Amino acid sequence: GQSLEQPSEVTAVEGAIVQINCTYQTSGFYGLSWYQQHDGGAPTFLSYNALDGLEETGRFSSFLSRSDSYGYLLLQELQMKDSASYFCAALSGAGSYQLTFGKGTKLSVIP
Amino acid sequence: EADIYQTPRYLVIGTGKKITLECSQTMGHDKMYWYQQDPGMELHLIHYSYGVNSTEKGDLSSESTVSRIRTEHFPLTLESARPSHTSQYLCASSEHQGQGPYGYTFGSGTRLTVV
Repeated sequence: GQSLEQPSEVTAVEGAIVQINCTYQTSGFYGLSWYQQHDGGAPTFLSYNALDGLEETGRFSSFLSRSDSYGYLLLQELQMKDSASYFCAALSGAGSYQLTFGKGTKLSVIP
Repeated sequence: EADIYQTPRYLVIGTGKKITLECSQTMGHDKMYWYQQDPGMELHLIHYSYGVNSTEKGDLSSESTVSRIRTEHFPLTLESARPSHTSQYLCASSEHQGQGPYGYTFGSGTRLTVV
């Protein structure tokens, strides 16, 4: 089956940098995505890594190592509004692509 | 503005009732999905569609059914609601079958409570 592991909670200080790790076990793996979800809100797409390496989008960066089945989301210059849950999701399948989500990491940004 | 809409936002119904959760998108996406999410938990895929008249069940066993008669509309129906169906239901769409660089666009969800 498909499974993704990520820490359940992370706390960081405003202005700091935080890294949220994700390890995955999937068959037919294509790539790793990250989504942000505020309490009571809908998940919002942040990034997608199909190839090894770092993808940067503003204050957010995402990294993938296919050989290690590992990725991370890096958030820089943390702001209070970054407090949310962050989900890694693996895209996999053979002819029928599906996105499997991790359990999510609840990030709390404190002053 | 292109978006994806779900109604109702909140729903409380009695056991045994039939309900339909609505989902519509204005982006012309072929791929649409229904996920179920309990509070603080991961999203589980329950149904998906790759186009009109195409529907498939996801990984999570569900007693719901879906239909895709029009590209923009992907309703989910529970024939007989039970308390175990209490959850949040999220609809999503994507342009690419492999998700591509833009990811899934999610609706705001329907929070269903069955009493």
